[in-house]
Amino acid sequence: AQTVTQSQPEMSVQEAETVTLSCTYDTSESDYYLFWYKQPPSRQMILVIRQEAYKQQNATENRFSVNFQKAAKSFSLKISDSQLGDAAMYFCAYDGNQFYFGTGTSLTVIP
Amino acid sequence: EAGVAQSPRYKIIEKRQSVAFWCNPISGHATLYWYQQILGQGPKLLIQFQNNGVVDDSQLPKDRFSAERLKGVDSTLKIQPAKLEDSAVYLCASSVTELRDGYTFGSGTRLTVV
Repeated sequence: AQTVTQSQPEMSVQEAETVTLSCTYDTSESDYYLFWYKQPPSRQMILVIRQEAYKQQNATENRFSVNFQKAAKSFSLKISDSQLGDAAMYFCAYDGNQFYFGTGTSLTVIP
Repeated sequence: EAGVAQSPRYKIIEKRQSVAFWCNPISGHATLYWYQQILGQGPKLLIQFQNNGVVDDSQLPKDRFSAERLKGVDSTLKIQPAKLEDSAVYLCASSVTELRDGYTFGSGTRLTVV
């Protein structure tokens, strides 16, 4: 069965610094997609970045980038130049035959 | 474009009562999802609609939960009767077709069962 594991329940980062959130997944599928979602206190789930498994190049969206290691089944999110508005819950998600979310990482940004 | 609309925002009911949640997806989005997010956990898919047909309801507790999407637009999720463990945020999301485009989520309904 596919599972998504986020081993860091909480993380903190100093404003303007860089932080990396970890995500690993388990699958026997070869074709799938991976996502990072942000959920601020408003509860709105916001798509941050997505990665197609068949693409070797790591996805990048402005200050957000991923380190996708397909063989290791690892999909970490790097946030550069952290801002106060980045504080939120971050969910890693897997989309293959079914869609799975991880349990989330709560990110605190320290001014 | 307007986002995914959900109502109510909050609901408090006693156990064994009934409750209904409403979702209006983004115009033109054929696929609609209902998720349950228990405090401290990631969202869990309850049901997926493609237009007005059910694609996946394998994790929907059918003895008490029901959902419909008449006319392939708005959707309602009902719980009858509610249990304490149903306390959660219920998120609605929609997408154009496949999941791979990424969802657009609503702000959710926070249900408290007392």
